[in-house]
Amino acid sequence: GQNIDQPTEMTATEGAIVQINCTYQTSGFNGLFWYQQHAGEAPTFLSYNVLDGLEEKGRFSSFLSRSKGYSYLLLKELQMKDSASYLCAVRANQAGTALIFGKGTTLSVSS
Amino acid sequence: DVKVTQSSRYLVKRTGEKVFLECVQDMDHENMFWYRQDPGLGLRLIYFSYDVKMKEKGDIPEGYSVSREKKERFSLILESASTNQTSMYLCASSFPNGDEKLFFGSGTQLSVL
Repeated sequence: GQNIDQPTEMTATEGAIVQINCTYQTSGFNGLFWYQQHAGEAPTFLSYNVLDGLEEKGRFSSFLSRSKGYSYLLLKELQMKDSASYLCAVRANQAGTALIFGKGTTLSVSS
Repeated sequence: DVKVTQSSRYLVKRTGEKVFLECVQDMDHENMFWYRQDPGLGLRLIYFSYDVKMKEKGDIPEGYSVSREKKERFSLILESASTNQTSMYLCASSFPNGDEKLFFGSGTQLSVL
């Protein structure tokens, strides 16, 4: 079967750093995605990893270890607007096929 | 910017009604998807399509069908709506290249009474 696990909720304060973990067990692997979803809005793309290592994009970074079936999203210098759900998704098959999503992690940032 | 448009933001229907959810994208994407999103369950794939007139079942296709007569339009059909189909429905599209991003519509919150 396909399984993607991530924590349900996390809290942090403005200016802090938070790491959201994602572990996956899928029939195949062809890329891992992170999406951000604010309440009442559509998910928007944050990052994509297909090779092991860290991808940095401004305040956000994403890490992948394929051998461990593990990824994390790192958010630095947290801002109130970062309060949202963060969705981990895996493409299990070839390019163009559908993504399998985890249940999402709701991050609350307080001042 | 890519735009994925879902025809209704909120929809209220009665049990047994036939329901059509429409999705249109303006970037000539080959791939289109329908997900539903429920609290505590995340996004679950209902159906997807790689090309016109092609469709593939996702993880939860029961009670749904789809239609893709034109490349830009992907419709989700609830043949006979039931209360357990009350949900947020999200349409998405993408190019079939390596790191393709999914572009989502704003979603349709469907309530079946």
